[in-house]
Amino acid sequence: EAGVTQSPTHLIKTRGQQATLRCSPISGHTSVYWYQQALGLGLQFLLWYDEGEERNRGNFPPRFSGRQFPNYSSELNVNALELEDSALYLCASSLDGGRAGEQYFGPGTRLTVT
Amino acid sequence: KNQVEQSPQSLIILEGKNCTLQCNYTVSPFSNLRWYKQDTGRGPVSLTIMTFSENTKSNGRYTATLDADTKQSSLHITASQLSDSASYICVVSPPEGGYNKLIFGAGTRLAVHP
Repeated sequence: EAGVTQSPTHLIKTRGQQATLRCSPISGHTSVYWYQQALGLGLQFLLWYDEGEERNRGNFPPRFSGRQFPNYSSELNVNALELEDSALYLCASSLDGGRAGEQYFGPGTRLTVT
Repeated sequence: KNQVEQSPQSLIILEGKNCTLQCNYTVSPFSNLRWYKQDTGRGPVSLTIMTFSENTKSNGRYTATLDADTKQSSLHITASQLSDSASYICVVSPPEGGYNKLIFGAGTRLAVHP
């Protein structure tokens, strides 16, 4: 069974541009989570989508947004990129958004803003 | 002050040796405490998960312990292998649960040398 997949693997953008990151959850999983992992810091929760709806967002500015498609894949958009947005962006999926079931992470997208 | 702090920040050991990684947390009580392994360029993978009432959990050569009185957890790796080279992340889930509420430590980067 395929795990969580993310694309692209690496993304290089300049300040002020927009970045789009993509995630495909494990088949049958309806919840998708996005995290930011900046160098030397713990993962920070960004967004949670379940059944096509945004359920919760972390303490990030509105220029971080996303959506979940009918097939449960998800997209993270970062507008007006800033240098401090450079990080590894991880996507994870689970069967549901609650406490039941394990959460599985994708390999991440490394975003570099120059 | 971070709610989940890990030490050391990085560690180098020789193949075959044992090591212990530390996690101090302030979240109390909590739903569960997990240890993840994150290989370079990969997403975190769950190693162990302990509830508030458990004090030890093993997964092969990995043994996690929990001391709720001192609010400390440790991950002990026995007979280290080169493939153990990775970051190890301590994660605490608050009582209200949900993967959007997880609190991640910054991780300990372990390098196992031949």
